[in-house]
Amino acid sequence: GAVVSQHPSWVICKSGTSVKIECRSLDFQATTMFWYRQFPKQSLMLMATSNEGSKATYEQGVEKDKFLINHASLTLSTLTVTSAHPEDSSFYICSAFRTANQPQHFGDGTRLSIL
Amino acid sequence: GENVEQHPSTLSVQEGDSAVIKCTYSDSASNYFPWYKQELGKGPQLIIDIRSNVGEKKDQRIAVTLNKTAKHFSLHITETQPEDSAVYFCAASTLYKVIFGPGTSLSVIP
Repeated sequence: GAVVSQHPSWVICKSGTSVKIECRSLDFQATTMFWYRQFPKQSLMLMATSNEGSKATYEQGVEKDKFLINHASLTLSTLTVTSAHPEDSSFYICSAFRTANQPQHFGDGTRLSIL
Repeated sequence: GENVEQHPSTLSVQEGDSAVIKCTYSDSASNYFPWYKQELGKGPQLIIDIRSNVGEKKDQRIAVTLNKTAKHFSLHITETQPEDSAVYFCAASTLYKVIFGPGTSLSVIP
């Protein structure tokens, strides 16, 4: 079946560092990928929709300059948390689907801890 | 705006018993309803889904029902096992937009 790979699974870094998270669709081409943030014991909060070859669409309240998204190919989207601070610590999850209104397939998430 | 409500937020059942999780949605345009299971430290995994032209779907111990008129859909897990313990999310989807419920933490007690 479809598989979405996310890397790294866990990152710890100092405040002020920029961190890049990769999301790959392994056996299908994904024109659209999604980036979510999840706080402990809470649901998934959609941050942005990543579209191949065009600018990402950010949800209200998400800083586009803080969370840079690049979807340069049909199998790869990246999320860069720029100048990360402790409040950016969270679980970030990406997802992808082949076409609209089909199941989303999720990566295993990235645990980001900013010291 | 659109939202999905999910109940209960926590559920404990004895091994072998059934578990039922219920969701309601507000967007009448929703036509696809997936259910996800999330284990600790992992991403959500699709376990079953149903489309608006179907009232019920079953896959082994898992079944989902949909009442489109009432905008209700439910997940039923029979003969629960300890490995069913996880957080379950329902979702309501239109063409490109997916709204997730707040989740249900299911504990199956051996």
